[in-house]
Amino acid sequence: GENVEQHPSTLSVQEGDSAVIKCTYSDSASNYFPWYKQELGKGPQLIIDIRSNVGEKKDQRIAVTLNKTAKHFSLHITETQPEDSAVYFCAAGSNRDDKIIFGKGTRLHILP
Amino acid sequence: DAGITQSPRYKITETGRQVTLMCHQTWSHSYMFWYRQDLGHGLRLIYYSAAADITDKGEVPDGYVVSRSKTENFPLTLESATRSQTSVYFCASTSGPSYNEQFFGPGTRLTVL
Repeated sequence: GENVEQHPSTLSVQEGDSAVIKCTYSDSASNYFPWYKQELGKGPQLIIDIRSNVGEKKDQRIAVTLNKTAKHFSLHITETQPEDSAVYFCAAGSNRDDKIIFGKGTRLHILP
Repeated sequence: DAGITQSPRYKITETGRQVTLMCHQTWSHSYMFWYRQDLGHGLRLIYYSAAADITDKGEVPDGYVVSRSKTENFPLTLESATRSQTSVYFCASTSGPSYNEQFFGPGTRLTVL
């Protein structure tokens, strides 16, 4: 079955700098890659997703890139702000399956 | 209120007791999921359901039982709780399979003594 590896597990960046979180997946049939953000005491919430027919997607300060050949995808947050401090999860799924598999998460700290 | 709710939000129980965690959604989403979140393991799928009366195992189903008699409810039962089941449990729902956004509940923090 699918296996998703996520790195780093913890990331600290200065406010205003960029943050990058990387994930790899094992199943070449995976074609849907969402990213979820979990704030303290809350459930995860989708922030951006990408499908395999696209190499990059941007939404304001957030972007996701996908390299299907290498089976990895990344989340990029630019001009980080205090409210970006949270746990971020990547995930992978395919249209032949009913579920997605999550990575283990990255705790992002934005330093003042 | 519209959305997805979980109850209780916090639960302390003892080893060997039966515990049921409730999940209710008001969107009439066909798919519902149960995850557990543990430090170092991220979100792991316990069980999921594609529709009423249809359930399937996820990555870590042992020790758990689910049912789905109504579309809006998806209870998770620990038939004989163990300390290893101490965790934060999240319920989620979505309108379709893997290509669709999952909406998560606020979580239930369960402690098994």
